[in-house]
Amino acid sequence: GAVVSQHPSRVICKSGTSVKIECRSLDFQATTMFWYRQFPKKSLMLMATSNEGSKATYEQGVEKDKFLINHASLTLSTLTVTSAHPEDSSFYICSASTSGGADNEQFFGPGTRLTVL
Amino acid sequence: AQSVTQPDIHITVSEGASLELRCNYSYGATPYLFWYVQSPGQGLQLLLKYFSGDTLVQGIKGFEAEFKRSQSSFNLRKPSVHWSDAAEYFCAVGASNDYKLSFGAGTTVTVRA
Repeated sequence: GAVVSQHPSRVICKSGTSVKIECRSLDFQATTMFWYRQFPKKSLMLMATSNEGSKATYEQGVEKDKFLINHASLTLSTLTVTSAHPEDSSFYICSASTSGGADNEQFFGPGTRLTVL
Repeated sequence: AQSVTQPDIHITVSEGASLELRCNYSYGATPYLFWYVQSPGQGLQLLLKYFSGDTLVQGIKGFEAEFKRSQSSFNLRKPSVHWSDAAEYFCAVGASNDYKLSFGAGTTVTVRA
């Protein structure tokens, strides 16, 4: 089956620093990748959608200058949390799809636990 | 825009007993419906999905779900739960012309011996 990996699985950083999270599709080419944020005991909130080679589309209320997304290849997307603060602490999950339609299954990564001190 | 409601925040069930998780959606046209399972600290795994056709959908791990348009529901069932079924379950809805998925708040399933 399609496998999506995320690195790191967990990261602890100091307030004010930047953190990069990688999302890779290991055995398929992902035209579209999605980044979600999940709060404890809460649903997944879509942050942004990225298509290979183009700028990410951010959801309303998500600061694009704070959450930088790059989808440089068909197998890699990165999320950089810039100048992280404690309120950015969360579980970040990516998913990948061979195209952007809802009928194309999204394959989810295992998530990255970010803790900002 | 589509939305999903999962009325049950937490369900406790005995091992071997049946399980049903409720999901109600709001969408004007025929929705694309999904059930995902998330184990602690893990990403989401697709259990099953409905796009069209037979309204009773079979999934992995012995799960099934039934699409009922009249009730705007897509409830998930399993006849006999195993301890390994303890997890968080999310219902999601998508649209044919939109790649976005809207997730419910999730239902936590606890399995007691």
